[in-house]
Amino acid sequence: EADIYQTPRYLVIGTGKKITLECSQTMGHDKMYWYQQDPGMELHLIHYSYGVNSTEKGDLSSESTVSRIRTEHFPLTLESARPSHTSQYLCASSPDREAYNEQFFGPGTRLTVL
Amino acid sequence: TQLLEQSPQFLSIQEGENLTVYCNSSSVFSSLQWYRQEPGEGPVLLVTVVTGGEVKKLKRLTFQFGDARKDSSLHITAAQPGDTGLYLCAAWNNNAGNMLTFGGGTRLMVKP
Repeated sequence: EADIYQTPRYLVIGTGKKITLECSQTMGHDKMYWYQQDPGMELHLIHYSYGVNSTEKGDLSSESTVSRIRTEHFPLTLESARPSHTSQYLCASSPDREAYNEQFFGPGTRLTVL
Repeated sequence: TQLLEQSPQFLSIQEGENLTVYCNSSSVFSSLQWYRQEPGEGPVLLVTVVTGGEVKKLKRLTFQFGDARKDSSLHITAAQPGDTGLYLCAAWNNNAGNMLTFGGGTRLMVKP
């Protein structure tokens, strides 16, 4: 079982609020990722990190930001949430091997912006 | 245009039936993975296939990697309600900073 955690699991907030989605892993993985997924649809990579102080934007443009101050922690922040941000956000990590890396996913945060 | 095209998008079958889902691309991959995602959870890796023509079995699930390493299939024998979920194929995309790219998924529902 993967040791990667996301909080909160569900979040309903009003437009304009600032929110932070938490992601932590205890596996010592250097690589971490954030994906956005609409229900039952494909995953879109929005942010990734190769290690501490490394952050990059993914394929899908996102107004969110991330930080990687500690290896185990990769929070995602939305400064001003809008209804278009309503989605499921999945955090993942993978070991730092060259090939065939398995990505371990957290359970996700389902965000609804009213 | 998606790098990985999965078909069918949706599949609803009765318990005990067999099924095959497909993952196709015009690109060649060094490896391809299949994940299953249950409602309210993150995807979980089922298998990684590496060699063209490779076949891997996981109980009632059979995975095949195409000879040219451009496509893959997942066959489930005697499906059970516990097989219900979203099946995602994924491949490492060296043209995108060596990131994992996911297909659109096949949503499978197995009715008792």
